[in-house]
Amino acid sequence: GENVEQHPSTLSVQEGDSAVIKCTYSDSASNYFPWYKQELGKRPQLIIDIRSNVGEKKDQRIAVTLNKTAKHFSLHITETQPEDSAVYFCAVGISNYKLTFGKGTLLTVNP
Amino acid sequence: GAGVSQSPSNKVTEKGKDVELRCDPISGHTALYWYRQSLGQGLEFLIYFQGNSAPDKSGLPSDRFSAERTGGSVSTLTIQRTQQEDSAVYLCASSLVGGGGETQYFGPGTRLLVL
Repeated sequence: GENVEQHPSTLSVQEGDSAVIKCTYSDSASNYFPWYKQELGKRPQLIIDIRSNVGEKKDQRIAVTLNKTAKHFSLHITETQPEDSAVYFCAVGISNYKLTFGKGTLLTVNP
Repeated sequence: GAGVSQSPSNKVTEKGKDVELRCDPISGHTALYWYRQSLGQGLEFLIYFQGNSAPDKSGLPSDRFSAERTGGSVSTLTIQRTQQEDSAVYLCASSLVGGGGETQYFGPGTRLLVL
């Protein structure tokens, strides 16, 4: 089955700095790559996703890049703010419903 | 509109007891998913419903776990003879039709503690 590795497990940045989280996957047939943000005690919420026919997608301060050849994709957050502090999960899907999640990255943005 | 809801929000039970967890998906969503999130871990897929049918139960960890969905809406996840290792947050999600690359919307989860 699909194997998703997510790094780093924890990330601490100063407010205003950029944060980058990277995920690798094993199944070359995977074609859907969402990122979820989960604040403490809250539900995971989709923040951005990308499909395999696109190499990069941006939404304000958040961007995702995909390298299908290398089988990795990354989340980039620019101009970080304290409210960006949360656990971020990457996930991978093939042309079906099942998502395989990474183990998460705890991002702390220090004021 | 209303999002995915789950009940109870917290459940404490004794080892060996049965528990039922409920999920109300977003109205009109035909696909429903159950995931389990253990402390410090990612989300682990349990089961997927398309309407009332469960074409994929491959993530259920043992035969003590079962789930059903009625009326194409509410789903119940049942854990029989609970064990301490069942302690986790159980998350439900729904999506519009269940096709690939479709956004899954999550509920707030049920935090289960087995003593």
